[in-house]
Amino acid sequence: EADIYQTPRYLVIGTGKKITLECSQTMGHDKMYWYQQDPGMELHLIHYSYGVNSTEKGDLSSESTVSRIRTEHFPLTLESARPSHTSQYLCASSESGGGAFYEQYFGPGTRLTVT
Amino acid sequence: SQKIEQNSEALNIQEGKTATLTCNYTNYSPAYLQWYRQDPGRGPVFLLLIRENEKEKRKERLKVTFDTTLKQSLFHITASQPADSATYLCAILSGGYQKVTFGTGTKLQVIP
Repeated sequence: EADIYQTPRYLVIGTGKKITLECSQTMGHDKMYWYQQDPGMELHLIHYSYGVNSTEKGDLSSESTVSRIRTEHFPLTLESARPSHTSQYLCASSESGGGAFYEQYFGPGTRLTVT
Repeated sequence: SQKIEQNSEALNIQEGKTATLTCNYTNYSPAYLQWYRQDPGRGPVFLLLIRENEKEKRKERLKVTFDTTLKQSLFHITASQPADSATYLCAILSGGYQKVTFGTGTKLQVIP
């Protein structure tokens, strides 16, 4: 079982609210990722981080922002939620170094519904 | 443009048969390719990694091949079981440094 946690698991919130999705891992991984996935659809990378104080945008444009102040913590924030943000958000982490392609460990996901 | 394509239609097979799933990519030259399993409502789980200089990799009932000339990877599950029913994703390392792109996934249904 991967030691990567996401809270909340489910969130229903009204339009215009600010929300933060939490992601924590206890494996000491440098790399962390946020993906967005609609039901039955593919995973889209929205943010990633190589380590503390490093964040990059992914392939899918997102109005969310992320921060990486601590190795183990990679929260995602939406300043003003909209119905178009309704989706499942998956956090992942992996080892790094040596140019290898390490497996990603995924959290259980947060299913966000914006009404 | 870069693309990773997997069969979008679900694959239905009889229990005990071998399931074969395909991952095709264009405009990539990946050094590595990974396969993951995803169950409904959950995050993907890593299964296998294959390097460009490896033609084949096995793990229990799973086998992956990697043909860099055809730009294709095949994923096989032998003696399939209903518990193997899930969506299977291939993933490629891209963007020069550890940016991972996932394929669209193929849903496998093993019928008892």
